[in-house]
Amino acid sequence: AQRVTQPEKLLSVFKGAPVELKCNYSYSGSPELFWYVQYSRQRLQLLLRHISRESIKGFTADLNKGETSFHLKKPFAQEEDSAMYYCALSGRDTNAGKSTFGDGTTLTVKP
Amino acid sequence: DVKVTQSSRYLVKRTGEKVFLECVQDMDHENMFWYRQDPGLGLRLIYFSYDVKMKEKGDIPEGYSVSREKKERFSLILESASTNQTSMYLCASSFKNSPLHFGNGTRLTVT
Repeated sequence: AQRVTQPEKLLSVFKGAPVELKCNYSYSGSPELFWYVQYSRQRLQLLLRHISRESIKGFTADLNKGETSFHLKKPFAQEEDSAMYYCALSGRDTNAGKSTFGDGTTLTVKP
Repeated sequence: DVKVTQSSRYLVKRTGEKVFLECVQDMDHENMFWYRQDPGLGLRLIYFSYDVKMKEKGDIPEGYSVSREKKERFSLILESASTNQTSMYLCASSFKNSPLHFGNGTRLTVT
């Protein structure tokens, strides 16, 4: 069985502070990990995927297979980063759409 | 840009009614999905489809059915709506194992 855990339901930081949204997973095969974001009144959208190894809107996430983690990080949070963030996992050998999602973390960046 | 359109943004139905939620995508994606989004529970997969007239159960299919008569359209059906099906419903599509593209969601209230 595959499982995604986001331990923080709510996270609040001040503008300019570093932010880390935690994601841990369990999966027996080769995982593919994603971060999706939902801004207020907008649709859920892909933020980044580990296979791309790119930085989007200043966010990065590194897959740590030893710790089974895929934490999302940004060195200097901005107010426009306030949103709901979901970590998701799928198997490399399965359809990526059949993903398992974490419960989500609501990030609030205060001025 | 991929467009996934859900026909209704808000719906209010009575207990016992048959409810249809419609979703259309314009990018010729093979895969289509229905999730429900509840606070603290993340996204849970209801049903998905990899091809026309094909459907597979997700994690919480009870009380739901789906129809995919055309590649671009995927309908979610609540056979007899109940109050515990009050939720936000998200449709998504994807090409093979690429990430998901989501619609804006339908907020369904069953009274």
